[in-house]
Amino acid sequence: AQSVTQPDIHITVSEGASLELRCNYSYGATPYLFWYVQSPGQGLQLLLKYFSGDTLVQGIKGFEAEFKRSQSSFNLRKPSVHWSDAAEYFCAVGATGRRALTFGSGTRLQVQP
Amino acid sequence: ETGVTQTPRHLVMGMTNKKSLKCEQHLGHNAMYWYKQSAKKPLELMFVYNFKEQTENNSVPSRFSPECPNSSHLFLHLHTLQPEDSALYLCASSPGIGPGDEQYFGPGTRLTVT
Repeated sequence: AQSVTQPDIHITVSEGASLELRCNYSYGATPYLFWYVQSPGQGLQLLLKYFSGDTLVQGIKGFEAEFKRSQSSFNLRKPSVHWSDAAEYFCAVGATGRRALTFGSGTRLQVQP
Repeated sequence: ETGVTQTPRHLVMGMTNKKSLKCEQHLGHNAMYWYKQSAKKPLELMFVYNFKEQTENNSVPSRFSPECPNSSHLFLHLHTLQPEDSALYLCASSPGIGPGDEQYFGPGTRLTVT
């Protein structure tokens, strides 16, 4: 069965600094990978997804993620964080034969002025 | 209305009450989901429906009873709940239930059981 690990429960960065959120997955074949963001009191919004092809994918709000098969990772990055990026971020994996996504436990991002 | 809507946004109920959560999607999707999000716990999948048929019940207690009358509407009927059922309940929809079908989420219902 597939699984997703987000090692960092909570991260604090300064506004304007770069950001990298880690995601590791466990799955035998090429997974379908997603990053979602959840602002306080809101549902989850899709930031980006990876199925195949170019391993660097661009998403909304200036985010990007890189798929590294050798490291079983799909880390989310942003070159310059804005205060509005403060939220919780979830990595998820979809797998053939499984009827729903498997979500990681989330990373809460705090942005300092 | 666009996207996925959920009503009510907040609900407080006693353990002997019966209430229902409603979800509606305006995206033309075929699959709908209920998730439970508790503090400090991963997102928990509860139920999956595809073309109105339940395809997954993730060992959810019978005090939670889903209903999917059509592909656009999903309900979660609640009765005799426990305080530990207090959580954010999220509804989602997707075009299908394939591994690449991205899910679109509603804003959630914040449930408090007293």
